[in-house]
Amino acid sequence: EIVMTQSPATLSVSPGERATLSCRASQSISSYLAWYQQKPGQAPRLLIYGASTRATGIPARFSGSGSGTDFTLTISSLQSEDFAVYYCQQYNSWPLFGGGTKVEIK
Amino acid sequence: QLQLQESGPGLVKPSETLSLTCTVSGGSISSGSYYWGWIRQPPGKGLEWIGSISYSGRTNYNPSLKSRVTISVDTSKNQFSLKLSSVTAADTAVYSCARPTAGGTISRPFDVWGQGTMVTVS
Repeated sequence: EIVMTQSPATLSVSPGERATLSCRASQSISSYLAWYQQKPGQAPRLLIYGASTRATGIPARFSGSGSGTDFTLTISSLQSEDFAVYYCQQYNSWPLFGGGTKVEIK
Repeated sequence: QLQLQESGPGLVKPSETLSLTCTVSGGSISSGSYYWGWIRQPPGKGLEWIGSISYSGRTNYNPSLKSRVTISVDTSKNQFSLKLSSVTAADTAVYSCARPTAGGTISRPFDVWGQGTMVTVS
């Protein structure tokens, strides 16, 4: 069974700085990896799929990379609206989410 | 614009069956060969896929929940439903329905979500 591990659990970043979030799969999932943003009281919002393709309407400051077992979500310059929890999801098999990374204001 | 809306009791007693319905508006549940999904999120915790169903009734369930889950579809009402039996406090969560980005398989990310409904087991 695949296990998805996100790190760090919490990331403290100042507005305007770069944020780098990691997601690791316990076995290869090719590029079947998505990233979501979730704000309190809201449904998750799809940011990235196919490891690196931005979903419709997602700003260019969000970028995804990686393949196989190691993946990264980069937010190039954090805006106030980007402070949230981010989840990765593998879909090489049945959908499975990582535990999340909370991006908080430093 | 496609919208999903969950409905059902917000409080369920232990050992009973949780029942929720997702109503799809702004589009037909029968188009696109999608596998419509249920996902839950316990308070303060991460996301867990429960299962998915096609418009024709083909289902796939999370192995850890499979023995207790039944998902069904009613195309005439543009709805699909979730039943989770023998619930315990560990099943307390926000339950959301969602549509994946494309059809044909359960192995997709989800790009359209309902707002979610909180279900407490107590």
